[in-house]
Amino acid sequence: AQKVTQAQTEISVVEKEDVTLDCVYETRDTTYYLFWYKQPPSGELVFLIRRNSFDEQNEISGRYSWNFQKSTSSFNFTITASQVVDSAVYFCALIRSYNTDKLIFGTGTRLQVFP
Amino acid sequence: GAVVSQHPSRVICKSGTSVKIECRSLDFQATTMFWYRQFPKQSLMLMATSNEGSKATYEQGVEKDKFLINHASLTLSTLTVTSAHPEDSSFYICSAPPPGQGAFASGAFFGQGTRLTVV
Repeated sequence: AQKVTQAQTEISVVEKEDVTLDCVYETRDTTYYLFWYKQPPSGELVFLIRRNSFDEQNEISGRYSWNFQKSTSSFNFTITASQVVDSAVYFCALIRSYNTDKLIFGTGTRLQVFP
Repeated sequence: GAVVSQHPSRVICKSGTSVKIECRSLDFQATTMFWYRQFPKQSLMLMATSNEGSKATYEQGVEKDKFLINHASLTLSTLTVTSAHPEDSSFYICSAPPPGQGAFASGAFFGQGTRLTVV
C-alpha cells in the first residue's frame, strides 16, 4: 500500500529562521513521483516541486530546497530565511507509477511564520 | 502551460438543494479528471476519477448517488452534490492531467478549488 506521513502537524517559527518540513513515504513500486504543494488560506494548491524516484539529486529553488533520500524513504523540504508569506499548509504527495494515477497526500504541516 | 479552471470558487446553498461544480481544462483535452475533497484542517482525499465517455470510478466509501460526476466532453467534468447537507460542507478540488504525460502531469494541474457551505 502507498502512504505518505507528515509527522509534524504544526510548526511555528520566527521570520528569518530556517525550517524543515518532513515527509516519509511508503510504496512497493520502484517508479513513482513525489510532490510538494503549498496551500495558503485561500485554499488553492500551489505546486512546488515534483521528483521522480530515479532522481535523488537535491534541488534548490531560491529559498526552497528539497532533500530526497530513497534509503530512508524521505523527501524533506527546507525553507531558508522564512518569511511571513510562507505561512500556509504544506502537503507532500505520492503518485505510484508512470501512468496517470491518483495522488496520495500526506496529512499536511501547518507552518506559521511570525514577524 | 496547461490550465485547469474550476467554478464556482465559493458556494453557499441551503440544505436539501443540489450544487454543481465545474472543472474545465482550458487549453488541452483531458480524458481523465480527478475530484478530491478536503475537510477543514484535514488532508485531501480522492473521491472519484472522472472518465470522458464512461462512468466515473468512485473511491471506497464515496456515495455514487450523492456525488454525481459527469465527464461529458474532453474539456469538462462536473461534480454535482445532490441533496446537500451540512456535513457535505467541504473544499472540493479537481485535477486534470494533460494526456500523454503520465503521472508527471497528474500532480501538476489543479483547479482553484470550490469551498461549499451548506446551511
